[in-house]
Amino acid sequence: AQKVTQAQTEISVVEKEDVTLDCVYETRDTTYYLFWYKQPPSGELVFLIRRNSFDEQNEISGRYSWNFQKSTSSFNFTITASQVVDSAVYFCALSEAYNTNAGKSTFGDGTTLTVKP
Amino acid sequence: EAGVVQSPRYKIIEKKQPVAFWCNPISGHNTLYWYRQNLGQGPELLIRYENEEAVDDSQLPKDRFSAERLKGVDSTLKIQPAELGDSAVYLCASSLDVGGTGANVLTFGAGSRLTVL
Repeated sequence: AQKVTQAQTEISVVEKEDVTLDCVYETRDTTYYLFWYKQPPSGELVFLIRRNSFDEQNEISGRYSWNFQKSTSSFNFTITASQVVDSAVYFCALSEAYNTNAGKSTFGDGTTLTVKP
Repeated sequence: EAGVVQSPRYKIIEKKQPVAFWCNPISGHNTLYWYRQNLGQGPELLIRYENEEAVDDSQLPKDRFSAERLKGVDSTLKIQPAELGDSAVYLCASSLDVGGTGANVLTFGAGSRLTVL
C-alpha cells in the first residue's frame, strides 16, 4: 500500500524567508513516482514537479527546489525567498509503477503555507 | 487549450436528494479520475477510467455513488441519495497514461463543491 505523510499542517512565514515543506512516503515498490502539486486559494490543483525513484538528483527551478532522499523516504520542497503569491496548500503525491496502483496518485493531506508581507 | 472543465462549481442540496457532476477532460487524455477532497485533507481517489473502462473503483461507495464515461470522453459522477457526509469538493482530473508506468501527471479541474443540508 502506498501512503504519503505531510506532518506540517500549517506554516506561516514572512515574505523573503526560506521555507521547507516536508513529505515522507511509504511504498513497497522499488519503482514509483513522486509529485508536488500546488492548490492556490482559487482551488485548482496545479502540477509542480515529478520525480522517479531512480533519479535522486536534487532539482532547482527558480526559487523552488526539491530534495529527494530514498534513504529516508522523503521528498522535501523548499521555497527560497518566499513571496505572498506562494501562499497556497501544497500536496505531495506518490504513484507506484507497474502494478495495479500504476497511475493512481495517493496524496498527502497537504501543508497550508501562508506568506505574510 | 481548454483545461479540465467541471460543472456545477457549487451545489447545495437537502439530504436524500440526488446530485450529478459533469467533467470534460483535456482533449486526447485517455485517463480520467474522480477524487473527493474533504476539508483540510488531500484528494482521495473515487474512480479511475482508462478510456471507457473503470480500472479502479475500489474506493467508490457503490451503494449510492455511480459514474460513467461514455465514449471515453466526458464523465458523470452521481450520488443518490446524498448524505450529510458527502459534503466535499469533487475533483475531476485527466492525464495521458504513460504505458502503465505510474508517471501520469494529473491536470485537475476547478472542482464541484457539494453541500448537503
